[in-house]
Amino acid sequence: GESVGLHLPTLSVQEGDNSIINCAYSNSASDYFIWYKQESGKGPQFIIDIRSNMDKRQGQRVTVLLNKTVKHLSLQIAATQPGDSAVYFCAENMAQAGTALIFGKGTTLSVSS
Amino acid sequence: GAGVSQSPSNKVTEKGKDVELRCDPISGHTALYWYRQSLGQGLEFLIYFQGNSAPDKSGLPSDRFSAERTGGSVSTLTIQRTQQEDSAVYLCASSLEVGLDVSYEQYFGPGTRLTVT
Repeated sequence: GESVGLHLPTLSVQEGDNSIINCAYSNSASDYFIWYKQESGKGPQFIIDIRSNMDKRQGQRVTVLLNKTVKHLSLQIAATQPGDSAVYFCAENMAQAGTALIFGKGTTLSVSS
Repeated sequence: GAGVSQSPSNKVTEKGKDVELRCDPISGHTALYWYRQSLGQGLEFLIYFQGNSAPDKSGLPSDRFSAERTGGSVSTLTIQRTQQEDSAVYLCASSLEVGLDVSYEQYFGPGTRLTVT
């Protein structure tokens, strides 16, 4: 079916480590991918996005990689900090269906000091 | 400037009652979206508006759910005859515009936590 999923429901890292959160998507027609961060009691917050004509995009301490061959998306967080602890969702957008985002179930990142 | 706001932040209602959830998008954002998030789950798309029209209602789970948007701004999501399975966080998002080949960042509100007893 058309869905976006994440490989791991939880990820625990030490402060200062690099974190990698993975996501697999199933629809090859998707052309826009986004990573969101959601802290407890808050709405999702945009982190970074990437279009299907790119395979890498960098932001501040974050990098998103897109591998269209295997339909894989990853979020890399450099020098992870306790404030990065949250649930991370990947989402995809299928242009043919409009702009509704299809979300995965999320990975809970826990950063310990 | 102000972000997306939603009200109420929490709503507890009895099974069978109707509820209205409100969303105030970011000023100037023409596209508005409603999502539902059940406990520990990802976000489930419900409906989106481009201006005051809703070209995609495919995510509404039943005919008890309806939404409207007036003046290209505020939107109301109404759930009639609420059921316990309607309990969830209802999130609203807005973006600048929408197009078949263009996607813009969606800014989310804090959500309304609905509990049906």
